[in-house]
Amino acid sequence: EVQLVESGGGLIQPGGSLRLSCAVSGFTVSSNVMNWVRQAPGKGLEWVSVIYSEGRTYYPDSVKGRFTISRDTSKNTLYLQMDGLRADDTAIYYCARDSQWSYDYWGQGTLVTVSS
Amino acid sequence: QTVVTQEPSLTVSPGGTVTLTCASNTGAVTSDYHPNWFQQKPGQAPRALIYSTTNKHSWTPARFSGSLLGGKAALTLSGVQPEDEAEYYCLLFYGGTQRVFGGGTKLTVL
Repeated sequence: EVQLVESGGGLIQPGGSLRLSCAVSGFTVSSNVMNWVRQAPGKGLEWVSVIYSEGRTYYPDSVKGRFTISRDTSKNTLYLQMDGLRADDTAIYYCARDSQWSYDYWGQGTLVTVSS
Repeated sequence: QTVVTQEPSLTVSPGGTVTLTCASNTGAVTSDYHPNWFQQKPGQAPRALIYSTTNKHSWTPARFSGSLLGGKAALTLSGVQPEDEAEYYCLLFYGGTQRVFGGGTKLTVL
């Protein structure tokens, strides 16, 4: 059974850092294209980052230079390192698998709140 | 800046048919954008419905179908059920480097 479980969210002050984790079972993270997607309260979905199996990473301008996607093969886990957090980064963060142009499996999300 | 546009809201009667669309400000949406469609209900994670324009996942009900329509990606629901009331999002791939979600369509079944 495929499962993606996010963790690491919480309340953080503006300018702070946080690392999110996405523990995966049922498939191998390093063999797949993996993404982070976020959703601000009451708003729509926003793509945040992607990592390809060969290690290439991409980000939208809204987080480029502040967020870093990575993975740990031994733990079969995906990460999102978030630095320089701002109030508008407040959102539920989801990890999702991208399988042949298909975002098929999603986690349940972890809430990040940036506030003083 | 790339913007993907969906109808903010639509209303359909039970048993009816409704089509949601997904447009790109860069021009006509083609199969090269690999349109995906997702359903999201309050308090839940998004659920994948359609990928690469027309393909259904094993869990996608038969009443959902995807297509290209007039330069846009489209999601058609035929024989709408009350449980189809939800927010629907499209996703477009811009090459291998960028993805953009639409703003979402709130579908009301009334």
